[in-house]
Amino acid sequence: ETGVTQTPRHLVMGMTNKKSLKCEQHLGHNAMYWYKQSAKKPLELMFVYSLEERVENNSVPSRFSPECPNSSHLFLHLHTLQPEDSALYLCASSQENTGHNEQFFGPGTRLTVL
Amino acid sequence: AQKVTQAQTEISVVEKEDVTLDCVYETRDTTYYLFWYKQPPSGELVFLIRRNSFDEQNEISGRYSWNFQKSTSSFNFTITASQVVDSAVYFCALTQAGTALIFGKGTTLSVSS
Repeated sequence: ETGVTQTPRHLVMGMTNKKSLKCEQHLGHNAMYWYKQSAKKPLELMFVYSLEERVENNSVPSRFSPECPNSSHLFLHLHTLQPEDSALYLCASSQENTGHNEQFFGPGTRLTVL
Repeated sequence: AQKVTQAQTEISVVEKEDVTLDCVYETRDTTYYLFWYKQPPSGELVFLIRRNSFDEQNEISGRYSWNFQKSTSSFNFTITASQVVDSAVYFCALTQAGTALIFGKGTTLSVSS
């Protein structure tokens, strides 16, 4: 058990739907991340939250909207997605003041957009 | 600029063979950290090892060993006597001064019985 949980594990949605991905970390960390992993592509960093403030947004389309209500929870709100958004979405957490920024990952949400 | 290159996209071996996964990195900083993660079919990335730039000692953990060479900017990972359970995607990653991890594209290892 890594201490980072994600729900749902699998999600199928139409292009007009609105859904949310949830991530929760039980490690007392102060930073959380969203990554996208598409087939045949490297892991893409989407968003970084440090102390509940967004510190990085890597040119992600506005149809992806993150929310970090507290240091233990991270959401990714999805709306009007495209089929090319189908991917594995991974959440991670870390303790930033360690310097090495070792990240602990959740099991991911496998998203399919029809 | 930081970059991690894993030139081997896919490797297939038979059980009990030794296999080495290559990782080459680029960074201008003198202080940085290197990682290896394993991603089994379940999808979760599992942390394997962290190494800082000032520690070039090689490390061995059971059947796993890591060879860090700053002179060639490489951090290679060897699995000795591979097993079917080692089948996974392996990622090498780099970070400096607490920035977000930069991942390589990953190497898919298939171990057959």
